[in-house]
Amino acid sequence: DAKTTQPNSMESNEEEPVHLPCNHSTISGTDYIHWYRQLPSQGPEYVIHGLTSNVNNRMASLAIAEDRKSSTLILHRATLRDAAVYYCILRYTGFQKLVFGTGTRLLVSP
Amino acid sequence: DTAVSQTPKYLVTQMGNDKSIKCEQNLGHDTMYWYKQDSKKFLKIMFSYNNKELIINETVPNRFSPKSPDKAHLNLHINSLELGDSAVYFCASSRNRGLGFRSSYEQYFGPGTRLTVT
Repeated sequence: DAKTTQPNSMESNEEEPVHLPCNHSTISGTDYIHWYRQLPSQGPEYVIHGLTSNVNNRMASLAIAEDRKSSTLILHRATLRDAAVYYCILRYTGFQKLVFGTGTRLLVSP
Repeated sequence: DTAVSQTPKYLVTQMGNDKSIKCEQNLGHDTMYWYKQDSKKFLKIMFSYNNKELIINETVPNRFSPKSPDKAHLNLHINSLELGDSAVYFCASSRNRGLGFRSSYEQYFGPGTRLTVT
């Protein structure tokens, strides 16, 4: 399974943008980049995913480097509710399993 | 409406007992999963079923036996519970595996079942 590397933790202030980085230098051409988050005492929650182009949805934006060896999850205005562990995961198209790493714990201060 | 539900939410039992956790999804998905999150918060896949057929079976002790009576349900039965089985178990579901290069679907997770073995 291709690996991802994320910082252990990041801090942000409420209402500020947050950029969560992820390195995946061994990504293959068929790997999608998925982001999930896990709020305290809850199950993981899908955030966004992409293959090559940048993606936007109501929760976040995903910026993918041209060589696809890194990506950044962007929360445009952090809220207290965004405090969670964010996981960057590479997913093969032919396989269904999600291989979770240790993720980035995001702390949001009022 | 809860998309992926699990019962029970909490389960406390003694070593050696047999217990089951139930999972149901009302999303019309074809694929369901079981994940285990241990005390260090590390999440790992255990099983995956597609259209009631086992497609992923990670290195899990054979005391763990998943059963899928239909596409909307995936239950997890655990025999002879051990202390190390204490964890939070998450059920998830997704659409069918993509057949094309450009297919990849998100998974929807249940709220988890916290199993404590004493």
